[in-house]
Amino acid sequence: DIQMTQSPSSISASVGDRVTITCRASQNILYFLIWYQQRPGEAPKALIYAASSLQSGVPSRFSGSGSGTDYTLTISSLQPEDFATYYCQQSHSHPLTFGGGTKVELK
Amino acid sequence: EVQLVESGGALVQPGGSLRLSCAASGFLFRRSAMHWVRQAPGKGLECVAAITSDGNDAFYANSVKGRFTISRDNVQNTLHLQMGSLTTEDEGLYYCARAGGGQERPGGTHAMDVWGQGTTVTVSS
Repeated sequence: DIQMTQSPSSISASVGDRVTITCRASQNILYFLIWYQQRPGEAPKALIYAASSLQSGVPSRFSGSGSGTDYTLTISSLQPEDFATYYCQQSHSHPLTFGGGTKVELK
Repeated sequence: EVQLVESGGALVQPGGSLRLSCAASGFLFRRSAMHWVRQAPGKGLECVAAITSDGNDAFYANSVKGRFTISRDNVQNTLHLQMGSLTTEDEGLYYCARAGGGQERPGGTHAMDVWGQGTTVTVSS
């Protein structure tokens, strides 16, 4: 199975901050990398697919980059509704696997 | 409205069985790959099973292989997860999720773009 490792596991940040979350795959997953946001009590919501493509309806302050084994999710200016947990997921091969999550908390 | 509604979650004894269902509406279910994703209390996400649009191919996490079976009814627009030999490690909120981008096979470039609200499985004696 492909292991997905996210860092950091938590971030303390303020509204307006630039936030970066990284995700490393245990092998080359080309660009088959997806990012999700999960707010408390809600189902996950897709943000980015194919490493850098913005899901329909997602604000442009979210962006993704990377290739091979290393990927990044960036929130350019954190908004109050962005305080949540973020997960990466590889869609390169089965079983599909997720990172452990990064919780973005209010500083 | 595109919607997924899970049901069937319950309290079950260790070693027991349970069948979850997910009713789909508002989209062409028979053309979409589907997934079951679970989340243990306070923990992360795990894709336990996925199935192609025609139901001919299924994929499982190692943690459930041989105990869980994913299936679908493309006439009734329903996804199922048959769960057996349950342990406390299987407890959690079980979501069904659609493969986006019109994908007929799970995986690939697109995300799971539509999720249900989840159904809770509790394993306890």
